[in-house]
Amino acid sequence: QEQLVQSGPDLKKPGSSVKLSCKASGDSFNTYAINWLRQAPGQGLEWMGGIIPLFGTANYAPKFQGRVTINADESTSTGYMELGSLTSDDTAVYYCARGRVGTTGLWFDPWGQGTLITVSS
Amino acid sequence: QSALTQPASVSGSPGQSITLSCTGSSSDIGAYNLVSWYQQHPGKAPKLLIYDVNKRPLEISDRFSGSKSGNTASLTISGLQAEDEADYHCCSYAGNYIYVIFGGGTKLTVL
Repeated sequence: QEQLVQSGPDLKKPGSSVKLSCKASGDSFNTYAINWLRQAPGQGLEWMGGIIPLFGTANYAPKFQGRVTINADESTSTGYMELGSLTSDDTAVYYCARGRVGTTGLWFDPWGQGTLITVSS
Repeated sequence: QSALTQPASVSGSPGQSITLSCTGSSSDIGAYNLVSWYQQHPGKAPKLLIYDVNKRPLEISDRFSGSKSGNTASLTISGLQAEDEADYHCCSYAGNYIYVIFGGGTKLTVL
């Protein structure tokens, strides 16, 4: 069964960038999207974007367009998400999740364990 | 585009059936049969319960069911159990620009 293991928590300064990783175990890394979502303290979930490694092109939520980069390394079955120009509003738990987004279906499963990113001076 | 609307909290007694609502618009829930639901226990990652409005992953109990009418999706939990106490998040596809929109989540308390 596929599992996703994310990188560890981090404390970042305002204005800096953060790059998170998400390593997948199991089969079919290339054929499903790796998505990135986040959850601010006490808030709901928010989709940031996703990539299908086989195709290599990422789709981003309009809110994050220009500030986020999502890519994947097929050789290591690892997805990455880099978010720049951090502010305190970016303090959140960031999740990766395998899934499908689009007219072919909508689901996120499984999820990584989450990574807490704290932005503070 | 605003988030989907979910009640902040609901409660029920063990054994009861309870329905959680998720209201969107004609641009998301009303336009696509692409609603998913997630259960999240405190400090844990979300877990997929329902996808594509009413489909259930094999490992999910048939006590969980999904439906949609117009711009509103619903998650029904029958035979409520103590372990069902959690946050529930709805999600909808919203087209090739917004892509994905979530509700704010509903906290379910089992009395």
